[in-house]
Amino acid sequence: DQQVKQNSPSLSVQEGRISILNCDYTNSMFDYFLWYKKYPAEGPTFLISISSIKDKNEDGRFTVFLNKSAKHLSLHIVPSQPGDSAVYFCAASETGANSKLTFGKGITLSVRP
Amino acid sequence: SQTIHQWPATLVQPVGSPLSLECTVEGTSNPNLYWYRQAAGRGLQLLFYSVGIGQISSEVPQNLSASRPQDRQFILSSKKLLLSDSGFYLCAWRPGRHEQYFGPGTRLTVT
Repeated sequence: DQQVKQNSPSLSVQEGRISILNCDYTNSMFDYFLWYKKYPAEGPTFLISISSIKDKNEDGRFTVFLNKSAKHLSLHIVPSQPGDSAVYFCAASETGANSKLTFGKGITLSVRP
Repeated sequence: SQTIHQWPATLVQPVGSPLSLECTVEGTSNPNLYWYRQAAGRGLQLLFYSVGIGQISSEVPQNLSASRPQDRQFILSSKKLLLSDSGFYLCAWRPGRHEQYFGPGTRLTVT
């Protein structure tokens, strides 16, 4: 049973436009959410996170929104740049569970110049 | 600053051969350590995690095992590899409450 779902396998956007990457979760015990960026043949890089007590967290061009009632979060990248082209993983954790992360399958973002 | 290392970077092994992948962390002590696998077209699957020397928790029953012989060393092993063990293996460590930071990974191909 997949507890973190990234239903869209890929997304293509024009450089300078907004990229919106979506993620849904089913486990109501998750209270912390993270986004990672991964290039081929490299380890994932931590991007941004959000606690369940917030509904928005912003860091430069990256903003994560959390809708707890819908069990949905999204990552907004504005403006998108060609270097943002990568696989983006959504992850969730539950406080006290040794901070194990449950990952989605990832979304491949392509930013066209 | 903290650094995480993994080796080898790539490995091609025949079915039935043993496996040993190593992960080391520098610049911290008593970190929580994790092994993940990314199989083709799939997300990151947690395999093992360790909260201290000699303490290993397994998440998925499988052909693999893990050991933590030293505080900052985490080893992933197998006695006999299967074709299904092919994938990209990632080691991670946790400095705070939630965020984990990953090593560069090992690409394993079992032939």
